[in-house]
Amino acid sequence: KAGVTQTPRYLIKTRGQQVTLSCSPISGHRSVSWYQQTPGQGLQFLFEYFSETQRNKGNFPGRFSGRQFSNSRSEMNVSTLELGDSALYLCASSSRGTSGKTGELFFGEGSRLTVL
Amino acid sequence: AQSVTQLDSHVSVSEGTPVLLRCNYSSSYSPSLFWYVQHPNKGLQLLLKYTSAATLVKGINGFEAEFKKSETSFHLTKPSAHMSDAAEYFCVVSEGQAGTALIFGKGTTLSVSS
Repeated sequence: KAGVTQTPRYLIKTRGQQVTLSCSPISGHRSVSWYQQTPGQGLQFLFEYFSETQRNKGNFPGRFSGRQFSNSRSEMNVSTLELGDSALYLCASSSRGTSGKTGELFFGEGSRLTVL
Repeated sequence: AQSVTQLDSHVSVSEGTPVLLRCNYSSSYSPSLFWYVQHPNKGLQLLLKYTSAATLVKGINGFEAEFKKSETSFHLTKPSAHMSDAAEYFCVVSEGQAGTALIFGKGTTLSVSS
């Protein structure tokens, strides 16, 4: 069974540009969540999608957005990039349904974004 | 608000000796607690999870953790360290039934020497 796939793995952008990151969850998983990992702030929750609906959102500015498609694949977008957006962006998928406690999240290897 | 505190940013052990990584949590609800491991340039892998069943939880690769409500702790242990255990370990609490928003600790880097 294929794991969570994130593309691209590495990318370099300049301030003011925008970026789109992609995540393909494990087959059958309908929940996809995104996390930002930086040396200073550690791992922080960005948002979660389930069946194309955003169900939960972390404390990030509106420049950070996401969406989920009918096949559960997800994208996140960061507009007007800032130097502080340099980070490893991790996507995780889960088979968790519409209710119940958190199940296991399966993480991808991440997309490492460098903003110059 | 829920939070986790990992009491050590770095732990060093010798191969074959016990491992103890300490974690305290704060939660208003009955928490779900996890330990994840991250090897260099890799994603995170679940080691074990506590979801209000047995308080002693066994995970992969010989790791286990004990949920102690009176001490609000969820320490991770392993009887005998292996070189391949060198990695960063994260203690995590979930927001319960609100979603899959996980609250991560700052991480503990485990070094294993031969």
